[in-house]
Amino acid sequence: GQNIDQPTEMTATEGAIVQINCTYQTSGFNGLFWYQQHAGEAPTFLSYNVLDGLEEKGRFSSFLSRSKGYSYLLLKELQMKDSASYLCAVRVEGGFKTIFGAGTRLFVKA
Amino acid sequence: DTGVSQNPRHKITKRGQNVTFRCDPISEHNRLYWYRQTLGQGPEFLTYFQNEAQLEKSRLLSDRFSAERPKGSFSTLEIQRTEQGDSAMYLCASSLGEGYTFGSGTRLTVV
Repeated sequence: GQNIDQPTEMTATEGAIVQINCTYQTSGFNGLFWYQQHAGEAPTFLSYNVLDGLEEKGRFSSFLSRSKGYSYLLLKELQMKDSASYLCAVRVEGGFKTIFGAGTRLFVKA
Repeated sequence: DTGVSQNPRHKITKRGQNVTFRCDPISEHNRLYWYRQTLGQGPEFLTYFQNEAQLEKSRLLSDRFSAERPKGSFSTLEIQRTEQGDSAMYLCASSLGEGYTFGSGTRLTVV
């Protein structure tokens, strides 16, 4: 079966750092993605990890441990516009099909 | 290139009617995907195409759902005999490399 777990909601303060965790159990693994989705809008691609380690892209970083089935998204210097849902997604083996978690709603407060 | 385009943006239909949605992907992207999303949930995989070939279809999809991608360009998703449970946002995405580019979606409401 396919299972991707992430917290339902998180709250953080403007200017702070927040870490959103994701654990997965899937039928094969061919890469992990993070997407950002603002309310009423389509998801937008943030990051992709296929090897273990940390990928940094500006204020956003994503980490992967394949042996633990674990990833996190780190957001630094939080801004109000970062209030959104963050979706963890896994590309399963055998093709290009990607399975999404339910998302973590992040609220950034002043 | 204006991104992934979906039409219509909104569709209200009566239960039992058929509906068809269209997706125009980014022109150089050879893979096209359909997902369904309900409030508070992540996108749920429906089907995907590589060029004109439909390579995988979710087992969750009943026979009432069908998708096509003639000539490997735009795609259509048809839902026959709609039910209230079909109410959702239908998202189309395309890709060439790793990440998806999503369209703005078609919001379907079945009354």
